[in-house]
Amino acid sequence: EAGVTQSPTHLIKTRGQQATLRCSPISGHTSVYWYQQALGLGLQFLLWYDEGEERNRGNFPPRFSGRQFPNYSSELNVNALELEDSALYLCASSLAGGPKTQYFGPGTRLLVL
Amino acid sequence: GDSVTQMEGPVTLSEEAFLTINCTYTATGYPSLFWYVQYPGEGLQLLLKATKADDKGSNKGFEATYRKETTSFHLEKGSVQVSDSAVYFCALTRTGYQKVTFGTGTKLQVIP
Repeated sequence: EAGVTQSPTHLIKTRGQQATLRCSPISGHTSVYWYQQALGLGLQFLLWYDEGEERNRGNFPPRFSGRQFPNYSSELNVNALELEDSALYLCASSLAGGPKTQYFGPGTRLLVL
Repeated sequence: GDSVTQMEGPVTLSEEAFLTINCTYTATGYPSLFWYVQYPGEGLQLLLKATKADDKGSNKGFEATYRKETTSFHLEKGSVQVSDSAVYFCALTRTGYQKVTFGTGTKLQVIP
């Protein structure tokens, strides 16, 4: 069974641009989570989507947004990129209801120049 | 709020040495506890989990026991290998809260 997949694996942008990151959950999982792993800051919860709705978000500004599609895949958008947005962005998925074990994808490494 | 505290690394061990990585947590109620592992250049992999007090999670020779009295979930392995070199994250989730709270991670380096 395929695990969580993310694309692209690497993304290079310049300050002020927009980045779009994609995630496909494990088949049968309806919840998708996004985390940011920035150097020196550990893993920070960003967003949680379930059944197409945003259910919770972490302490990040509104320029971090996303959506979940009817097939439960998800997109994370980061607008007006800043240098400190450079990080590894991890997507995880789980079954509905909670708390359920989250399974992580390989991540997208975003570099903002 | 919820928090997870891990021992600071890096931890450097010789092959076949015994490993302990300490983890303690703060959370109300009865959280589920996890250890995730991140190999160089990769995402997180679930290593083991425990969902209630006194449960022991185990996988690939690693073990951790959910100790509610000491609010701990220490990771142990009897004989580490070079291939175990990675960053280990202790984490928890709490009923009603979907986000995972992670510790800061402990880097393990195993030398031949």
